[in-house]
Amino acid sequence: DTVLTQSPALAVSPGERVTISCRASESVSTGMHWYQQKPGQQPKLLIYGASNLESGVPARFSGSGSGTDFTLTIDPVEADDTATYFCQQSWNDWTFGGGTKLELK
Amino acid sequence: QVQLTESGPGLVHPSETLSLTCTVSGFSLTGYSVYWVRQPSGKGLEWMGRMRYNGDTSYNSALKSRLSISRDTSKNQVFLKMNSLQTDDTGTYYCTRARRVYRVMDAWGQGASVTVSS
Repeated sequence: DTVLTQSPALAVSPGERVTISCRASESVSTGMHWYQQKPGQQPKLLIYGASNLESGVPARFSGSGSGTDFTLTIDPVEADDTATYFCQQSWNDWTFGGGTKLELK
Repeated sequence: QVQLTESGPGLVHPSETLSLTCTVSGFSLTGYSVYWVRQPSGKGLEWMGRMRYNGDTSYNSALKSRLSISRDTSKNQVFLKMNSLQTDDTGTYYCTRARRVYRVMDAWGQGASVTVSS
């Protein structure tokens, strides 16, 4: 299985820029996607194909990367962005990262 | 608009079988695939398996021996059955819609909470 590794938690202040990373144990080309999950809610798709913004998602969110290293950037961060962010690959079956919990200072 | 709704029993006894139904609206099961994903309480996400738009299925190798996914296109429903449940199968079970391009899950149900307990 392709293992996706994310840092467990980050804390930033509103208005700052934050980058959330995801590293794959093998190449997933651009088959990487990012989801936001708030407590008690289902995940919501933010970015697909490594860098494509899902319709209706604010342009503050962006994604980059290919192969094994990927990044989700939020700029600027807003209070409503408090959530857990998951990366997920669909190149080699489907696996998810462990999630990065974003907290605002 | 696109909607997926999971339904099923909230409580299952150990060693018994879990049966969940995903009822969809706003899209066709012959145009999109439906995937099942689960999430143990407070933990990460695990892809379980899928019903492709053409009726084919595939499963997570770790669950394959216990899992079955089927559908009824006339009722816009996809079904999950998993046997031999244990306490570590407790969690929230989601059905999702997946696009053919990138095979990305672009819409999720609200989730069905399942507790495995005697």
